[in-house]
Amino acid sequence: DVKVTQSSRYLVKRTGEKVFLECVQDMDHENMFWYRQDPGLGLRLIYFSYDVKMKEKGDIPEGYSVSREKKERFSLILESASTNQTSMYLCASSPDRGREKLFFGSGTQLSVL
Amino acid sequence: AQSVSQHNHHVILSEAASLELGCNYSYGGTVNLFWYVQYPGQHLQLLLKYFSGDPLVKGIKGFEAEFIKSKFSFNLRKPSVQWSDTAEYFCAVNARGGGSYIPTFGRGTSLIVHP
Repeated sequence: DVKVTQSSRYLVKRTGEKVFLECVQDMDHENMFWYRQDPGLGLRLIYFSYDVKMKEKGDIPEGYSVSREKKERFSLILESASTNQTSMYLCASSPDRGREKLFFGSGTQLSVL
Repeated sequence: AQSVSQHNHHVILSEAASLELGCNYSYGGTVNLFWYVQYPGQHLQLLLKYFSGDPLVKGIKGFEAEFIKSKFSFNLRKPSVQWSDTAEYFCAVNARGGGSYIPTFGRGTSLIVHP
């Protein structure tokens, strides 16, 4: 089974801190995604990557950046955390760009105080 | 840009009732369509998907969905729900935007099934 592992299940940070959310997948998938999930808003795409060192903005990239130095690892960075970034963050990967499903991690619930 | 609309935000049913969750998308080209489910405390998992062929697709746990191209819809159905179907359901579209396929999700429908 494909495994997508997010480094933390729960994280509490202070306003202004730099935050790193890590995601690792073990199935050699080329495509990786970061979403945030908020009640009533569903999943919104922050950034995605189709290859190492490649990144593209999703629908809500403001306040975030990403890094993909290795194929299996896709990191989401909050340069200066703010309270409106309190959310559930979901990482996903997939083997192709169109027809295949996304494999999701368990999520990181981030609280910014 | 593509968008996905789920019409029902909260649905409450009794066991054995029938279920239909609406999903419409806005995109004129070729789309790949998905329904995902998130059970309480668990990660999202695939219920079913459609990319070509028979527009009526069957998924896990007795769910099915029908793709109606003319209506840009992909509604999820189940003839008789169980208490264990209590979960959040997300419709998703994977369509070509620029040079990339971008998976876009609806806002989700929270389903509560009373025993």
